[in-house]
Amino acid sequence: DAKTTQPNSMESNEEEPVHLPCNHSTISGTDYIHWYRQLPSQGPEYVIHGLTSNVNNRMASLAIAEDRKSSTLILHRATLRDAAVYYCTANTGNQFYFGTGTSLTVIP
Amino acid sequence: SAVISQKPSRDICQRGTSLTIQCQVDSQVTMMFWYRQQPGQSLTLIATANQGSEATYESGFVIDKFPISRPNLTFSTLTVSNMSPEDSSIYLCSVEAVGDDSYEQYFGPGTRLTVT
Repeated sequence: DAKTTQPNSMESNEEEPVHLPCNHSTISGTDYIHWYRQLPSQGPEYVIHGLTSNVNNRMASLAIAEDRKSSTLILHRATLRDAAVYYCTANTGNQFYFGTGTSLTVIP
Repeated sequence: SAVISQKPSRDICQRGTSLTIQCQVDSQVTMMFWYRQQPGQSLTLIATANQGSEATYESGFVIDKFPISRPNLTFSTLTVSNMSPEDSSIYLCSVEAVGDDSYEQYFGPGTRLTVT
């Protein structure tokens, strides 16, 4: 499993897109990139995952660099409910090791 | 997805005592996981609990301090033994979900433990 590095905090204005970066330079070829978020006083929830190709779902988009050493979680229009700590992990198998995460503040 | 509940949701305990945290999931799952989240910190994996076998502990965590039971495919318990104030944390359980191409995890709401 690769170590991940994320900025400690980011701010975004409401209704604007947010790009949350993650560095995983030691990622192996079989490691999947997962993103989870943790809303205040809740357990983490799954956001999105990918291996090589960019991915979209109803919550977000995941852009993966061609060399897979970094990825970006994209929230297309931030809302106040998106204020949370966002974690990326890069792992093979079913055990997840979480980094420090990025605390996202959404400004009304 | 899976719906996971934990009991208790929070507790305040005295040092030297033990607390058992329960985790219940609404469907049968193979793997369950226990995490600790210290105040203002990220999640740290304590152990992996597979039904029918002993839990596998991560470095820095031992069975005598954090005994785990996994009696069936929908339930697990984590005991925090001989507690000290340093054990004050949120304890979370999660379950494995096998997706089309990789594993995902679903988390319970957590148990907030304060040791005085």
